[in-house]
Amino acid sequence: GAVVSQHPSRVICKSGTSVKIECRSLDFQATTMFWYRQFPKQSLMLMATSNEGSKATYEQGVEKDKFLINHASLTLSTLTVTSAHPEDSSFYICSAYSGRMAGELFFGEGSRLTVL
Amino acid sequence: QQQVKQSPQSLIVQKGGISIINCAYENTAFDYFPWYQQFPGKGPALLIAIRPDVSEKKEGRFTISFNKSAKQFSLHIMDSQPGDSATYFCAASIRNTGKLIFGQGTTLQVKP
Repeated sequence: GAVVSQHPSRVICKSGTSVKIECRSLDFQATTMFWYRQFPKQSLMLMATSNEGSKATYEQGVEKDKFLINHASLTLSTLTVTSAHPEDSSFYICSAYSGRMAGELFFGEGSRLTVL
Repeated sequence: QQQVKQSPQSLIVQKGGISIINCAYENTAFDYFPWYQQFPGKGPALLIAIRPDVSEKKEGRFTISFNKSAKQFSLHIMDSQPGDSATYFCAASIRNTGKLIFGQGTTLQVKP
């Protein structure tokens, strides 16, 4: 089946630094990618929708200047957490959608961010 | 309107038993209802999904029951096994958008 790769799987950074997380669709072209955040023992909360070549659409309450999303190609989207703080520590998960059928939505393995 | 409400929050079932998780939604524009299984530290994996034109879908030990008039759907895991112990999420989306709204999640523990 289709594979979505996230990198890095784990990252630890100091407060105030920026961290970039990559999401790649390995064997299909993703017209849309989604970024979710998941705190421990909680559900996945949609942060933003990313369409190739256009600006991301952010959900209410998500700071677009803090969570920079770039979708430069049909196989790659990046999430940059800028000036990270301990409260940004979370599990970030991307999903990639081919746009052909609702079932063709695949999740990455997630990236665990810890901000010290 | 965008919420998907899931219950119970946690569930303990004996090996061989039936696990039942329920979800309810409000937005009648939702037309795709998947269930995901998530293990700690991993991304969610699609288990089974249904569209509102059918009332039930079965794949192996997993069955979705769908009640369009009540705007409810449920996951039944037959012959539950310890390896099924995980967190399960229901979700809903509008056709061909790929944008999922997740339920709160149910932590299932299957005791040997």
